[in-house]
Amino acid sequence: SYELTQPPSVSVSPGQTARITCSGDALPKKYAYWYQQKSGQAPVLVIYEDSKRPSGIPERFSGSSSGTMATLTISGAQVEDEADYYCYSTDSSGWVFGGGTKLTVL
Amino acid sequence: EVQLVQSGAEVKKPGESLKISCKGSGYSFTSYWIGWVRQMPGKGLEWMGIIYPGDSDTRYSPSFQGQVTISADKSISTAYLQWSSLKASDTAMYYCARHAAAGRSAEYFQHWGQGTLVTVSS
Repeated sequence: SYELTQPPSVSVSPGQTARITCSGDALPKKYAYWYQQKSGQAPVLVIYEDSKRPSGIPERFSGSSSGTMATLTISGAQVEDEADYYCYSTDSSGWVFGGGTKLTVL
Repeated sequence: EVQLVQSGAEVKKPGESLKISCKGSGYSFTSYWIGWVRQMPGKGLEWMGIIYPGDSDTRYSPSFQGQVTISADKSISTAYLQWSSLKASDTAMYYCARHAAAGRSAEYFQHWGQGTLVTVSS
């Protein structure tokens, strides 16, 4: 079955740029989506269709995709951005989430 | 305002059956895919399956096919996730979520319920 691979953890200091990657064989042909999940809360969509930002998501969140890798970038990460981040995509046989990346900002 | 309101936490014994619900409001319930996502304790998100309430077309992840049943009652704008025989390994938080856009070709979840915690223990 299809898999999306993320690093388990990323750590940055406040104000630095955080980059979280997601690798998948179908990403050259399929969009990547990104969800933020803070402790004890439901996920929130932060990036759709590789690089689009939903209404209400701060401009410091951006996305890109090249080849088999999608990247979520948080420019000038804030303490409140500390959360788990999941990529999401499909290979046409089904939808999957990546394993998740814990972002620590301290 | 789009809202998905899930039923409350459940504590069950292994072998028991269970049906949890997700009531949609603020939109045309029959026009959007609605799905279920599992999150086991301390673990990541898992896509279980989706249903299009307009015609009850249902798709399952291979990992969950045959283990659960997804259904919907469009007369009361409610989607369901059910088990016929629970196992301890079904202990998890279960989220319902609605696709972002109307229509059968829509592809991703934008609106989420608050989650239903299911605990299975003898």
